[in-house]
Amino acid sequence: DTGVSQDPRHKITKRGQNVTFRCDPISEHNRLYWYRQTLGQGPEFLTYFQNEAQLEKSRLLSDRFSAERPKGSFSTLEIQRTEQGDSAMYLCASSLNTGQTQYFGPGTRLLVL
Amino acid sequence: AQTVTQSQPEMSVQEAETVTLSCTYDTSESNYYLFWYKQPPSRQMILVIRQEAYKQQNATENRFSVNFQKAAKSFSLKISDSQLGDTAMYFCAFMKDTGNQFYFGTGTSLTVIP
Repeated sequence: DTGVSQDPRHKITKRGQNVTFRCDPISEHNRLYWYRQTLGQGPEFLTYFQNEAQLEKSRLLSDRFSAERPKGSFSTLEIQRTEQGDSAMYLCASSLNTGQTQYFGPGTRLLVL
Repeated sequence: AQTVTQSQPEMSVQEAETVTLSCTYDTSESNYYLFWYKQPPSRQMILVIRQEAYKQQNATENRFSVNFQKAAKSFSLKISDSQLGDTAMYFCAFMKDTGNQFYFGTGTSLTVIP
């Protein structure tokens, strides 16, 4: 069990650029979640997948955000035309199933200049 | 909508002493789960303890225990024999029994003083 991994750990980009983050969940976990955490706040839910199906999206996930989990394994989160307000820590988590403990990755810290 | 409130932004405790972190929540759900997660500085979040709402018995995990008061919608975390490694941000989290997402509080920053 290698845990949830995320890549990159840090990303600095200029406003207007596109960025993509990757999450590799724990191998047998069916559910994968994305959260956003800003300074001084708890994580806020963005979206989740059951295998390859994206089942729920938060209103926080604007049209500039898209997430995929093409083969039910790793997931990517893309932000198009980044804005300074997108600067945050993006956390990925996975779980076996409904109501089970979510295991978090180390996060990707995004800074938009 | 579910909300989670942690009213103590910062706390400190002497090494080996006991500290209690508060958490209250608001929900109309009858079945749900409650969690405490720990986020050490620059490190990832890890589970401290978990409680199923249908269980009346308070969860314990070594030095960590909870006081779950369902009627009062209160879920406090007690850390006994505090250690320097307990220094971290602690988040209280709520999950409906459908398990789609966490609702987190704003966190309590705990510092253990040697």
